[in-house]
Amino acid sequence: GAGVSQSPSNKVTEKGKDVELRCDPISGHTALYWYRQRLGQGLEFLIYFQGNSAPDKSGLPSDRFSAERTGESVSTLTIQRTQQEDSAVYLCASLVAAYNEQFFGPGTRLTVL
Amino acid sequence: ILNVEQSPQSLHVQEGDSTNFTCSFPSSNFYALHWYRWETAKSPEALFVMTLNGDEKKKGRISATLNTKEGYSYLYIKGSQPEDSATYLCALQGSGNTGKLIFGQGTTLQVKP
Repeated sequence: GAGVSQSPSNKVTEKGKDVELRCDPISGHTALYWYRQRLGQGLEFLIYFQGNSAPDKSGLPSDRFSAERTGESVSTLTIQRTQQEDSAVYLCASLVAAYNEQFFGPGTRLTVL
Repeated sequence: ILNVEQSPQSLHVQEGDSTNFTCSFPSSNFYALHWYRWETAKSPEALFVMTLNGDEKKKGRISATLNTKEGYSYLYIKGSQPEDSATYLCALQGSGNTGKLIFGQGTTLQVKP
């Protein structure tokens, strides 16, 4: 398919473990965003990539969170030493240029026990 | 800090009813207002992107209006159908240079047959 894909779709982990979430954007989309939605809250911005650079990381909640993007394509969001408050749906979105409609993936539901 | 408010939080209507929801946002630092529909287990789907005061957009039975001077947008659904059941998200795009979206908490619509 030509849409944004994310993996895994569901991840259950134990507190303290590290997790890696993957996003495959639409081919040719230079801008990529990560968002998350915790239970009962709205979607919150985490990080923005333009190409392989991340000019806006202001939404990353702590230094346990990091993300990278390679080849102006795949992005991975890594959460180290997961905590229960990290449980959320993590969404990735891509677009051709920063001020157009964002195309979202189906999300990864992360549950930290 | 930009704050986007949506109301109501949830709504239950009968098939055939028309309905509307509100998105409020600070009128300064505005670039664009986005509406998304998010069905359970699917990706958020873009409905409208509006930038100009007085914009009105329509897609089938769904339409939206924008008032940037007073800081609100309305989403209307005419003759609701069960397949309209979803969470409707409003998001503000500020005038910074990253294009990140600031989301409201959403309005969850349930249409009963």
